[in-house]
Amino acid sequence: DGGITQSPKYLFRKEGQNVTLSCEQNLNHDAMYWYRQDPGQGLRLIYYSQIVNDFQKGDIAEGYSVSREKKESFPLTVTSAQKNPTAFYLCASSGTRYGYTFGSGTRLTVV
Amino acid sequence: AQTVTQSQPEMSVQEAETVTLSCTYDTSESDYYLFWYKQPPSRQMILVIRQEAYKQQNATENRFSVNFQKAAKSFSLKISDSQLGDAAMYFCAYRSPNFGNEKLTFGTGTRLTIIP
Repeated sequence: DGGITQSPKYLFRKEGQNVTLSCEQNLNHDAMYWYRQDPGQGLRLIYYSQIVNDFQKGDIAEGYSVSREKKESFPLTVTSAQKNPTAFYLCASSGTRYGYTFGSGTRLTVV
Repeated sequence: AQTVTQSQPEMSVQEAETVTLSCTYDTSESDYYLFWYKQPPSRQMILVIRQEAYKQQNATENRFSVNFQKAAKSFSLKISDSQLGDAAMYFCAYRSPNFGNEKLTFGTGTRLTIIP
């Protein structure tokens, strides 16, 4: 079945570490997105990519980086510059005007 | 930039009753798409209903319907015959139709509790 796979489900980061969240889709969607979810703030866009080898900053890109080397993959790196990284991260993809598919998310906690 | 506002952080409804969740948005575009997403405790985002702005008819999906008021920039969700499985966070979202700007802008969500 087609879908989006995010891994890991839970991730713990020490202060000063970079960590990478994985997002893979087999839907043949061109566009992929990363959202951050905090309590009371809804979902906020971090980065998005419309095509391979191209991506755009969203509303809260500082402290994050992405790459889009393959259509299927859109990994998100949370760098040490992100001062408050504890949050729930959702990856999504879209291929039509309506079709937005979400992954099951990664819960990142700073320890 | 578009903004989406959900003014009800929490709502509750008796099982089998009807509840309406509010959403307003701000945009200068004349054509766009609006969505309601449900996020149960599993945190999986589930599409509930969508509305194209150029369509005057309100969208319906079984027990879920919307009241789309384009001039007022309002997009409320009505849930009829509420069921325990409807308990979740509900997010209203806006999407531009323009290629290269198809990202979703979300409201802050409404937590819906179903009272047995």
